[in-house]
Amino acid sequence: GQQLNQSPQSMFIQEGEDVSMNCTSSSIFNTWLWYKQDPGEGPVLLIALYKAGELTSNGRLTAQFGITRKDSFLNISASIPSDVGIYFCEEETSGSRLTFGEGTQLTVNP
Amino acid sequence: DTAVSQTPKYLVTQMGNDKSIKCEQNLGHDTMYWYKQDSKKFLKIMFSYNNKELIINETVPNRFSPKSPDKAHLNLHINSLELGDSAVYFCASSRGTGINTDTQYFGPGTRLTVL
Repeated sequence: GQQLNQSPQSMFIQEGEDVSMNCTSSSIFNTWLWYKQDPGEGPVLLIALYKAGELTSNGRLTAQFGITRKDSFLNISASIPSDVGIYFCEEETSGSRLTFGEGTQLTVNP
Repeated sequence: DTAVSQTPKYLVTQMGNDKSIKCEQNLGHDTMYWYKQDSKKFLKIMFSYNNKELIINETVPNRFSPKSPDKAHLNLHINSLELGDSAVYFCASSRGTGINTDTQYFGPGTRLTVL
């Protein structure tokens, strides 16, 4: 399957700081999805991106689909303690979901 | 009201046993999935069923056998459990087969511990 690299693997930040994480691949994708997983729960979709260059916001979250269709980033502004969790990117190509990124573990210190 | 439910939430069993995990979705979705999340939190798809038919079958030992009695249920049966099977297993569903606007909804997960 495709190689999907997500970074950073973990982040420790202070409440109020902005956060940025990204996913890159050697392959071209049709869709990028970003999920958040709270401790002990299943992943929940945050943002879906369908077109190269697309920039989408969801509250304090902003994500972009790279122009080359090989990367995407997720930004969280003014972080709060409930932002704690694991953030995953997921790629979709050829109409079937196959690969998640390795996840970014976010810790927010109050 | 739970959209995607899994049972049990926790499963502790001995090596060599056979166990099943059940998944049900009440969203009217056509596609259901099983994912395995290992100790490093890496999520990997195992199977996908669309209208009770297998459409994705990743490289998974044949000790794992999914069964879909109807499109609202996708159960996972595991034979001869091994220590390496310990993980959290997530069920998910989506409206279609993943083209463009299909959001996946995940269940709460089943934490399997093999002793």
